[in-house]
Amino acid sequence: DIVMTQSPDSLAVSLGERATINCKSSQSVLSSSNNKNKLAWYQQKPGQPPELLFYWASTRESGVPDRFSGSGSGTDFTLTISSLQAEDVAVYYCQQYYNSPFTFGQGTKLEIK
Amino acid sequence: QVQLVESGGGVVQPGRSLRLSCAASGFTFSTYAIHWVRQAPGKGLEWMAVISYDGFNKYYADSVKGRFTISRDNSKNTLYLQMNSLGAEDTAVYYCAKARGGNYWDAFDVWGQGTMLTVSS
Repeated sequence: DIVMTQSPDSLAVSLGERATINCKSSQSVLSSSNNKNKLAWYQQKPGQPPELLFYWASTRESGVPDRFSGSGSGTDFTLTISSLQAEDVAVYYCQQYYNSPFTFGQGTKLEIK
Repeated sequence: QVQLVESGGGVVQPGRSLRLSCAASGFTFSTYAIHWVRQAPGKGLEWMAVISYDGFNKYYADSVKGRFTISRDNSKNTLYLQMNSLGAEDTAVYYCAKARGGNYWDAFDVWGQGTMLTVSS
């Protein structure tokens, strides 16, 4: 199984500041068929289901604000929020869809400092 | 609009069985793989199972293999999860989620609101 490890487990950032969440996979999730990374990022706000933010590691889902960005390749990935807004308070998960089981990271809780 | 609605959760005794449903609308259900994901109270997301668009291919997490069965009825736009030999460790919110591009090797772009299962005597 591919193990997904996020860091940090929790993060407190001031409004308007940058937030960075890291995700590391235990093996590469780069697809040889299309040279894209099978890595997604989700946002989950309290009491709500997760919402897709990025797929292919860096392709923003429709409706996601451009202050969010995804980057990385192979085994190391990053989710960045360039200027934190109050509505960004949530738990963020990375997930690999390279193969089954389609494992998630343990989550990173983002709060306002 | 594209929507998934789970149902069938509740309180069940250890060792019993239960079937969850996920009703889809707003998209061509029969052309997309669909997943089950669960979340124990206060915990992270755990992928459970996926079924291909035509129902022929299924994959399971080791934690539920042999106990849970995923199935679908494309004529009813509905996904199912038959859960047997339930234990306290199965207590969670269960979500169904649609594969973005149809194939199960894709991100999950639509999620239901979830249905809560509590296993307790």
